[in-house]
Amino acid sequence: AQTVTQSQPEMSVQEAETVTLSCTYDTSESDYYLFWYKQPPSRQMILVIRQEAYKQQNATENRFSVNFQKAAKSFSLKISDSQLGDAAMYFCAYRSRNNNDMRFGAGTRLTVKP
Amino acid sequence: EAQVTQNPRYLITVTGKKLTVTCSQNMNHEYMSWYRQDPGLGLRQIYYSMNVEVTDKGDVPEGYKVSRKEKRNFPLILESPSPNQTSLYFCASRQQGSNSPLHFGNGTRLTVT
Repeated sequence: AQTVTQSQPEMSVQEAETVTLSCTYDTSESDYYLFWYKQPPSRQMILVIRQEAYKQQNATENRFSVNFQKAAKSFSLKISDSQLGDAAMYFCAYRSRNNNDMRFGAGTRLTVKP
Repeated sequence: EAQVTQNPRYLITVTGKKLTVTCSQNMNHEYMSWYRQDPGLGLRQIYYSMNVEVTDKGDVPEGYKVSRKEKRNFPLILESPSPNQTSLYFCASRQQGSNSPLHFGNGTRLTVT
């Protein structure tokens, strides 16, 4: 079964600076989807960004971008110009194209210091 | 407003007392699923449903039941809750196919004493 690993249980960043959250996954498949979700203290799960494995171009959404390295099975999230509202738990997730199961990492708790 | 609604938001119960957590979506999504979130483990899938009357086990189905009698509703049933089922539960839905993301409910914090 596919596994998703987030090796940083906690990270912190100074407001206005840049931070990168790591995610690696294990799969033998070639076609799949990757996601980053944000969970603020309200515990709502919010989609941050998504990436299709067949696309070589890295996805971006405003201040959020990913570094997708398919051969290395790595999918890191970069947050630029960090804001206080970015403080949250961030989950990396994987879904096979042919499977209905979405696999989540254990999460990284991001603190933003003013 | 497109949303997934689950209730209750908080629930405290005792061991063995049957309970149901409701989940409803208004987006006409075929796929619905339940997850539990525990510290250090992320979210783990309990059950999912591809469509009405079609349900399948996820990674951690023991002690849970689900039903999908209508497309919009997907309740989670704990027939005899135990303390190890104390957790944060999420219902989610999505359209079938491609890179459709999951839409989550606001979560149910369950405590079993």
